[in-house]
Amino acid sequence: NAGVTQTPKFQVLKTGQSMTLQCAQDMNHNSMYWYRQDPGMGLRLIYYSASEGTTDKGEVPNGYNVSRLNKREFSLRLESAAPSQTSVYFCASSGSRRQYTEAFFGQGTRLTVV
Amino acid sequence: DQQVKQNSPSLSVQEGRISILNCDYTNSMFDYFLWYKKYPAEGPTFLISISSIKDKNEDGRFTVFLNKSAKHLSLHIVPSQPGDSAVYFCAASHTGNQFYFGTGTSLTVIP
Repeated sequence: NAGVTQTPKFQVLKTGQSMTLQCAQDMNHNSMYWYRQDPGMGLRLIYYSASEGTTDKGEVPNGYNVSRLNKREFSLRLESAAPSQTSVYFCASSGSRRQYTEAFFGQGTRLTVV
Repeated sequence: DQQVKQNSPSLSVQEGRISILNCDYTNSMFDYFLWYKKYPAEGPTFLISISSIKDKNEDGRFTVFLNKSAKHLSLHIVPSQPGDSAVYFCAASHTGNQFYFGTGTSLTVIP
């Protein structure tokens, strides 16, 4: 039972490069999220998708785009990476037949922009 | 503006004693609250939750208390064990669509 799988686990980018972080869940969840974790800032929501075909901005969306490819997959794209985007990125999913359920997290992607 | 706040960045407790982690929130629309535990280099894992219709929820050594009038929740761990050493995040949600997290409290349980 894989849960939430993120790839890659580590990445180093040069300023201005682009990349896509991949996320897939196998729990048939409706909602998926992208968070970033920075020291002293906790987990901040970048984008979320409440259902297949919909996406919404979270607290810190600038510099990012997302795609909800299907119910399983939710990708995060950095079009032109900046050093301020150095962070640990977490994908999460939630939602079943019960309205209130916890979110399940992936293992994280540690991104460094130099 | 941070809607969920954990004002204690760290906490040290002796093994066997009680650990109390605190969390405050500002948005009165939040109706579902969660605690997560995070080890280094891993994703957060769900620990315990409480809905706004309750003021207490218990699961083994872990109890979450909710004081809606004060917009405050706390996590009690009794007895604390060295394996409990981790960063604890509280989170809050309205309708379950978005989860807002606090900045975390690093708990160290001293053997």
